[in-house]
Amino acid sequence: GAVVSQHPSWVICKSGTSVKIECRSLDFQATTMFWYRQFPKQSLMLMATSNEGSKATYEQGVEKDKFLINHASLTLSTLTVTSAHPEDSSFYICSASFITSGSRSYEQYFGPGTRLTVT
Amino acid sequence: AQSVSQHNHHVILSEAASLELGCNYSYGGTVNLFWYVQYPGQHLQLLLKYFSGDPLVKGIKGFEAEFIKSKFSFNLRKPSVQWSDTAEYFCAVTPGSGATNKLIFGTGTLLAVQP
Repeated sequence: GAVVSQHPSWVICKSGTSVKIECRSLDFQATTMFWYRQFPKQSLMLMATSNEGSKATYEQGVEKDKFLINHASLTLSTLTVTSAHPEDSSFYICSASFITSGSRSYEQYFGPGTRLTVT
Repeated sequence: AQSVSQHNHHVILSEAASLELGCNYSYGGTVNLFWYVQYPGQHLQLLLKYFSGDPLVKGIKGFEAEFIKSKFSFNLRKPSVQWSDTAEYFCAVTPGSGATNKLIFGTGTLLAVQP
């Protein structure tokens, strides 16, 4: 259980275009979804946190107009990279969470990631 | 600012050797601690977690970790590694106040187990 999928797994786009990445929780309802960015040989950096039906909360330094997040339902969140540039090339990973019983904190389940290459 | 340090960036072991990966965090309050593993070409998977109670936590695949509050550490251990343990390991922390479940990740440790 607790499977998270991402689509596409790999995308190449031209500079200046926009790319949408989908994150779906397949067998549970996600109260919260997170978007991370991972650079080669580096750790995951949280970009934003989104709750269903409300605006995403972006981390410091992340441009909200460039990385548009929509969390329209309890099983789907999308990240749109607008006017992509080569420096946006990276590995984007989403995770989804729901409250576990008996715990004040949440576990996160990760998607397989999407590799974006901007040419 | 909260941070997580993993001092071993790249570890090479032979099969059957014992493993210990260090993880230290900087946060003064209650924390929840996690170890995730990322096998080649696969997504992050939870190895084990600590929320409260017994500071020695057992996870999947024979891994365990010990929370030492006085040292702000949560080291990962396995008594005898296998070739299939070759992967990248990430330590992560969330504040335990319940106000947020944002994960703060360490930089990861790449483990290579030689047959």
